[in-house]
Amino acid sequence: NAGVTQTPKFRILKIGQSMTLQCTQDMNHNYMYWYRQDPGMGLKLIYYSVGAGITDKGEVPNGYNVSRSTTEDFPLRLELAAPSQTSVYFCASSYSDRVENIQYFGAGTRLSVL
Amino acid sequence: AQSVAQPEDQVNVAEGNPLTVKCTYSVSGNPYLFWYVQYPNRGLQFLLKYITGDNLVKGSYGFEAEFNKSQTSFHLKKPSALVSDSALYFCAVSEGTGRRALTFGSGTRLQVQP
Repeated sequence: NAGVTQTPKFRILKIGQSMTLQCTQDMNHNYMYWYRQDPGMGLKLIYYSVGAGITDKGEVPNGYNVSRSTTEDFPLRLELAAPSQTSVYFCASSYSDRVENIQYFGAGTRLSVL
Repeated sequence: AQSVAQPEDQVNVAEGNPLTVKCTYSVSGNPYLFWYVQYPNRGLQFLLKYITGDNLVKGSYGFEAEFNKSQTSFHLKKPSALVSDSALYFCAVSEGTGRRALTFGSGTRLQVQP
């Protein structure tokens, strides 16, 4: 049972480059989320999606874009990478949007922008 | 706005001793509280949650947490620590209707010494 799968695990980008962080889940969850985790900080929500074709901004959306064409996949795109985007990125999913619902996390993508 | 504070960056405890990881929260309505654990190079894993009812919540791996409304706290506890409990622990809160995402604390590193 794979759960939430993120690729790649590690990536180094040069300033101004672009890349897509992939996230896929096999639990048929409608709700998916992208967080970033900076050292010594909690997770901050970048974007979330309540279903295919529907996305919305979280706390820190600037510099990122998302799409949700299928229930399974929720890629995160960085268009012009900046050093401030150096972080660990986590994708998560949940069955519903009820606030008590458990979120399931991927193993993360560690990104460095130099 | 909702917020979570984890006042200790690190907690050290000897194996076999009881452990406590502290968490306080601030919400305008009723709180929904969670503890997640993160092992090295892994995503966050759900431990336990408080939604309503009994103030003492039992979760995975022998952990429990006590909800204290007057002190706005939700401390994580375990009667007897194991070396394998060493990890990063996150407290999270959501305040209810209309909010799908969680607000995470900055995390507390638990180190259990043999």
